[in-house]
Amino acid sequence: ILNVEQSPQSLHVQEGDSTNFTCSFPSSNFYALHWYRWETAKSPEALFVMTLNGDEKKKGRISATLNTKEGYSYLYIKGSQPEDSATYLCAFRGNTPLVFGKGTRLSVIA
Amino acid sequence: NAGVTQTPKFQVLKTGQSMTLQCAQDMNHEYMSWYRQDPGMGLRLIHYSVGAGITDQGEVPNGYNVSRSTTEDFPLRLLSAAPSQTSVYFCASSAGQAIQPQHFGDGTRLSIL
Repeated sequence: ILNVEQSPQSLHVQEGDSTNFTCSFPSSNFYALHWYRWETAKSPEALFVMTLNGDEKKKGRISATLNTKEGYSYLYIKGSQPEDSATYLCAFRGNTPLVFGKGTRLSVIA
Repeated sequence: NAGVTQTPKFQVLKTGQSMTLQCAQDMNHEYMSWYRQDPGMGLRLIHYSVGAGITDQGEVPNGYNVSRSTTEDFPLRLLSAAPSQTSVYFCASSAGQAIQPQHFGDGTRLSIL
């Protein structure tokens, strides 16, 4: 079973702070790295799907980078807002179906 | 535009009972999958399908059965419910296996007594 690690497990930030978290995955047999945002009592929603080493994607205040050679991706949130509070999941696609990390739970305090 | 629809939203079963969790999508997606979500465990793949008539096992398939007779529907059957199957179940679909994002249903919260 592939290991997809996310860190930190949880974090609390003040409104307006910028933050980032990490997803680590195997550096071999890479096809894609997915990021999802999962709000409490809802279902996960896709943020980004990244396929190329060095990829950078951006959606509003959220951006992500990808390093397939060393097996990590960073998710950045600039100027965190209370509505950013959610669990952020990454998922690795190699030569087996998507494997999800356990997520980073972000709480933004107003 | 319904997306991925799961029914029921909640269910309580007794040990040994069987039931089917329904999943339907209206996006003409070929790829569908079932996950379970348990505290501290993240989303774990139960079964998946790459198209009508084709299914395969994921990480935790034991105790579950699936079929894919149409593109739209991908039901998950619990053959003889056990307390260890108490979980939240999510169905997802995508246009492809690797680089297309997954679209999730709202989940089914299942308790086995």
